[in-house]
Amino acid sequence: GDSVTQMEGPVTLSEEAFLTINCTYTATGYPSLFWYVQYPGEGLQLLLKATKADDKGSNKGFEATYRKETTSFHLEKGSVQVSDSAVYFCALSANFGNEKLTFGTGTRLTIIP
Amino acid sequence: SAVISQKPSRDICQRGTSLTIQCQVDSQVTMMFWYRQQPGQSLTLIATANQGSEATYESGFVIDKFPISRPNLTFSTLTVSNMSPEDSSIYLCSVEDPESGRTYNEQFFGPGTRLTVL
Repeated sequence: GDSVTQMEGPVTLSEEAFLTINCTYTATGYPSLFWYVQYPGEGLQLLLKATKADDKGSNKGFEATYRKETTSFHLEKGSVQVSDSAVYFCALSANFGNEKLTFGTGTRLTIIP
Repeated sequence: SAVISQKPSRDICQRGTSLTIQCQVDSQVTMMFWYRQQPGQSLTLIATANQGSEATYESGFVIDKFPISRPNLTFSTLTVSNMSPEDSSIYLCSVEDPESGRTYNEQFFGPGTRLTVL
């Protein structure tokens, strides 16, 4: 079945550091890929998405590129801020008319001033 | 986008009782989803609820334990029945984006219901 493997956390970085959170997937066909973020005390929010190979999703300084050859969708940000502290979830949807999302385990990110 | 509210936001319940969680959306949507997020864990889909049909449950979840109603295009309920401490989780509902359609499979999530079973 479909699955998402996500970088183990927690991750602690200093402000302005470069961030990478790895995500790889297993799916048949051509899934859509997502990064969701859960800020402390808040609900889950879509951060960015990509729906086909080589697409780059971007939002709030975060980027992720859909790499079909490596089945990856790594999240990156060039300079993190304290406000980026949150739990980040990689997810996929199989695009077969079944809309369900399959989530990775989540990565807790803490940014230190 | 869609704005989703859930009630209650949290509850503490006794073992053996049941709790019904409500999910209200500000737009008409075909599909609604119920997820469970156990402490420190990722989200697991419980079931998909389409208006006018029986909910579709994922492996490991059954209707007797998690009955779902979907009376119209903006509302759904999830009941957690005969609760045990293992049911302590955050329960979230989500909906498809009513504007983007099925192609992008984007979902919007409610704030969640934090359930503690003693």
